[in-house]
Amino acid sequence: EAQVTQNPRYLITVTGKKLTVTCSQNMNHEYMSWYRQDPGLGLRQIYYSMNVEVTDKGDVPEGYKVSRKEKRNFPLILESPSPNQTSLYFCASSLAGGPGTGELFFGEGSRLTVL
Amino acid sequence: SQQGEEDPQALSIQEGENATMNCSYKTSINNLQWYRQNSGRGLVHLILIRSNEREKHSGRLRVTLDTSKKSSSLLITASRAADTASYFCATVFYGNNRLAFGKGNQVVVIP
Repeated sequence: EAQVTQNPRYLITVTGKKLTVTCSQNMNHEYMSWYRQDPGLGLRQIYYSMNVEVTDKGDVPEGYKVSRKEKRNFPLILESPSPNQTSLYFCASSLAGGPGTGELFFGEGSRLTVL
Repeated sequence: SQQGEEDPQALSIQEGENATMNCSYKTSINNLQWYRQNSGRGLVHLILIRSNEREKHSGRLRVTLDTSKKSSSLLITASRAADTASYFCATVFYGNNRLAFGKGNQVVVIP
């Protein structure tokens, strides 16, 4: 089944404790992206990647890192999480060309709480 | 960043009625997409309409695009309780390969 898989789905952590949210897609998509969703603010893009070893900042990249060493994986790294990073995070992927040419496929989301 | 803005923000209708949502944006677009999100779940793509298209259909969904008014509408005909969800419009602007989302439109279909 074609899908985007995120882990963990739920996480409660404490300020400053490094964490990684993994994202994997099995559709051989070139484009991958991370969004965060907050009440009243909608979805905001954190980082995106057009292909392996190519990443770029979205609208709210501060406090996050990403890497794209393999086509299927696009982990989101929070080096020193803070409470304002409490949010619902979504990973998404798309064929070559990204959303300019086609739809995004979303994972089920990872709900992160930073105490 | 430029984003689509949905209107109305919340809509409550009876099953069987039609639901219409509007989305406005501010600059020239490459395409506009509509997504649905069931509570707490991932977004699901509904329809993509390109800047040179004016109308698209998919099942009970009809999307229109008016580039002169910088607006789009999503019509759900003969709504069902299962259509209860949040609906987002998202735009890809020319020269920018990023998808910018509006804040969403909550639709409740009452059985």
